[in-house]
Amino acid sequence: DSGVTQTPKHLITATGQRVTLRCSPRSGDLSVYWYQQSLDQGLQFLIHYYNGEERAKGNILERFSAQQFPDLHSELNLSSLELGDSALYFCASSPPQGKAFFGQGTRLTVV
Amino acid sequence: AQTVTQSQPEMSVQEAETVTLSCTYDTSENNYYLFWYKQPPSRQMILVIRQEAYKQQNATENRFSVNFQKAAKSFSLKISDSQLGDTAMYFCAFMKHYRLNAGNMLTFGGGTRLMVKP
Repeated sequence: DSGVTQTPKHLITATGQRVTLRCSPRSGDLSVYWYQQSLDQGLQFLIHYYNGEERAKGNILERFSAQQFPDLHSELNLSSLELGDSALYFCASSPPQGKAFFGQGTRLTVV
Repeated sequence: AQTVTQSQPEMSVQEAETVTLSCTYDTSENNYYLFWYKQPPSRQMILVIRQEAYKQQNATENRFSVNFQKAAKSFSLKISDSQLGDTAMYFCAFMKHYRLNAGNMLTFGGGTRLMVKP
C-alpha cells in the first residue's frame, strides 16, 4: 500500500460528459502529481500541485483542470469527454526527498 | 527537456535466470534521480529502485540492482534469480533534483514488457 488513495477505481461514462477523479496523498506529502496512461502507452505528466498551488503543467488538455484543496486532496476534472480520453489516470504524491508514490489509478472508459 | 528511452519493448527470461533491462536518458541537469517502476497486470505502479545521480555507488534492492553510468547517461536494471512474479511492464523514469518552486515530475520511458517463463 503506497498510502495514496484514488477514487473511483473504475469509471464508465459517455462522450460529452464530465467526471471528477479524486486523490488523497500520503500523510505529510504536499505535492500531488497527475499522470495519464493511455492503452499500451507510457505515462504522461499532466499537472503538479504543491500545497494548494499549481506548480507545473504538462500535456494537459484545456478540457481538463485540477485543483488541490486545503486538506491537500486533489481533484482532476475532465470535461467534454472524448473516446480518446479513455485511459488510466494516476495520482502520485511526493516528499521532498525525490520519490514518488502512486495511487492505484482510476480507469476511465468513455463510450 | 528530459527524455528517457527504453529500447527493448519486450523481453523474456527463464525463471531463476538473470535479465538486464536497458534505459538511456538525455538531460542537461547535473543533479537528478533515476527510478525503475514495475507495473504488473494489476496496473499498480510500484517503485523498484531509485538512484541519486550524485552517488557513484549503484543502488541495490534485494534481487534488483542498477548499473548507473552517468557520463554515458545509461541506467540499466538487473534482475537476478527471476521469479514468475517479476512478470510486468518496467518503466525507467527521470526526476530533476528537488526544487521547491519547480515541478518535480517524473519523465518516463516507453516501458519494457518482461515475461518470466517457468
